[in-house]
Amino acid sequence: GAVVSQHPSWVICKSGTSVKIECRSLDFQATTMFWYRQFPKKSLMLMATSNEGSKATYEQGVEKDKFLINHASLTLSTLTVTSAHPEDSSFYICSAKGHLLRNEQFFGPGTRLTVL
Amino acid sequence: TQLLEQSPQFLSIQEGENLTVYCNSSSVFSSLQWYRQEPGEGPVLLVTVVTGGEVKKLKRLTFQFGDARKDSSLHITAAQPGDTGLYLCAEPGANNLFFGTGTRLTVIP
Repeated sequence: GAVVSQHPSWVICKSGTSVKIECRSLDFQATTMFWYRQFPKKSLMLMATSNEGSKATYEQGVEKDKFLINHASLTLSTLTVTSAHPEDSSFYICSAKGHLLRNEQFFGPGTRLTVL
Repeated sequence: TQLLEQSPQFLSIQEGENLTVYCNSSSVFSSLQWYRQEPGEGPVLLVTVVTGGEVKKLKRLTFQFGDARKDSSLHITAAQPGDTGLYLCAEPGANNLFFGTGTRLTVIP
């Protein structure tokens, strides 16, 4: 099956610093990648959708200047949490979709961010 | 965006018991997917249902799509500790997924 990886799997940072999370499709070309946020014991909330080579589309209420998304290639998307604050602590999950994969999204293992 | 309500929100049962979780919508689904997410991992697709009244089986898991395509259920027979996780229903949109509120299942050995 299609494999999506995320790096790092967990990160702890100080308030005010920026953190970059990578999402890679390992064995397919991802025409679209998605970034989700998940609070403890809650469901997934879509943050943004990104297509390779174009600007990400953010969901309502998600600050695009705070959550910078770059989808520079067909196998890599990055999410940068800028000037992180404790309320940004969460589980961030990416997923990827390729046009040869029956419109199915494949999810990464997630990145747990803790902001002190 | 329609609201996908799942029930129960939490469920804790003994190994060997049967259980059913539900996913309900305010409007008609085009299709519906069920995912299982284990702690610290991303969701994994279990099944996609498309046709009203459709029933699909995956080992001890039985998925049913309502006749009117506004609800779905997941029944687990003889639950095992390995079934523990967050069960999510989701409706595929034009270019993304809308997830339900989730049911967190704990199977006690």
